[in-house]
Amino acid sequence: AQRVTQPEKLLSVFKGAPVELKCNYSYSGSPELFWYVQYSRQRLQLLLRHISRESIKGFTADLNKGETSFHLKKPFAQEEDSAMYYCALSRGSARQLTFGSGTQLTVLP
Amino acid sequence: NAGVTQTPKFQVLKTGQSMTLQCAQDMNHNSMYWYRQDPGMGLRLIYYSASEGTTDKGEVPNGYNVSRLNKREFSLRLESAAPSQTSVYFCASSGGTGVDEQYFGPGTRLTVT
Repeated sequence: AQRVTQPEKLLSVFKGAPVELKCNYSYSGSPELFWYVQYSRQRLQLLLRHISRESIKGFTADLNKGETSFHLKKPFAQEEDSAMYYCALSRGSARQLTFGSGTQLTVLP
Repeated sequence: NAGVTQTPKFQVLKTGQSMTLQCAQDMNHNSMYWYRQDPGMGLRLIYYSASEGTTDKGEVPNGYNVSRLNKREFSLRLESAAPSQTSVYFCASSGGTGVDEQYFGPGTRLTVT
């Protein structure tokens, strides 16, 4: 069965510091992984997907199949990055998502 | 282009009451989903519809039913609400193929007393 684990419920960093949000997964097939973000009083929205190998708002994430990880990184955190971040795995006929439990990131001034 | 809309935004029910959460999308998406969000548990899939005319159970379907009324609309019904169903409910839609992203609605905050 598929599973997504985000070990940190809460993460606080100072502005300008590097940030890494951890995500590990278990899945028997070839994974399609995403990071979704929910800013305060906004809808859940896609941040990035592994297949695009892109940088969005300074964030990157690399799929490491050997370690079954998809950690989200940003070299210099900004206060506007404070949000809830969810790692998700896509599977099945409708590409339904399995979410991790989320990490609440707070960037301190 | 409103994207994904949900009604109502808030609802309080007594145990045993029933209600239907409505969801609609105007992006001509094939697939639609219902999730519940609980503190410390992330989002969990309740039901989904891969295409018009089909529905399937997700991870936590007990106590819920769904109807894919047409391509635009996907409703979630609680027949006999229980306090364990207190949650925030999100509807989402996507093209349903490849690595399409899901687009989420604003959520419905439901409290069952």
